[in-house]
Amino acid sequence: GENVEQHPSTLSVQEGDSAVIKCTYSDSASNYFPWYKQELGKRPQLIIDIRSNVGEKKDQRIAVTLNKTAKHFSLHITETQPEDSAVYFCAAIFGNEKLTFGTGTRLTIIP
Amino acid sequence: DSGVTQTPKHLITATGQRVTLRCSPRSGDLSVYWYQQSLDQGLQFLIQYYNGEERAKGNILERFSAQQFPDLHSELNLSSLELGDSALYFCASSTGAGGVYEQYFGPGTRLTVT
Repeated sequence: GENVEQHPSTLSVQEGDSAVIKCTYSDSASNYFPWYKQELGKRPQLIIDIRSNVGEKKDQRIAVTLNKTAKHFSLHITETQPEDSAVYFCAAIFGNEKLTFGTGTRLTIIP
Repeated sequence: DSGVTQTPKHLITATGQRVTLRCSPRSGDLSVYWYQQSLDQGLQFLIQYYNGEERAKGNILERFSAQQFPDLHSELNLSSLELGDSALYFCASSTGAGGVYEQYFGPGTRLTVT
């Protein structure tokens, strides 16, 4: 079935350290993998995405890596700051139509 | 601000009632998606419309229906409401038809069923 697993569910890191969130997906045909950040009571906000024709994409302190063989992709945040505290969702496209989300990771940056 | 608007922001209603949630996509976007976010279920895809036509269906209950109008705004109708329907309802929009296009979310409608 269409499934995206996300780990960990909660993550606390010291300010300035790196954070890594991992997701696995079930459909080998999936070809689009976005990441969303959601602050409390607000809308999910697209922060970075990757398509299956690349293995890594970087945008300032945020990077995403994709391993299509293992059906695995990860979000890396470096030099974390207090404003990075939020819930992060990974997602994968199934059947070229439906975006299925992971269960979310609550990231807390400790000052 | 994503450019996607949703009304109302909050809605409180009783069990058995019917409500309508409204969404206006970003200028130029033809696709509208509806999602339900509850504490124990995460973000669940409900339904997608592209240029007025239903494009994809997710875990949408039979009591729920949606449509997209010629001006591209969309409405999600929830009827015979139950306590378990209490959730945040988001719409998102994108330029294209398939899910591989970037989706931008609106601010959401918080529905409370009492």
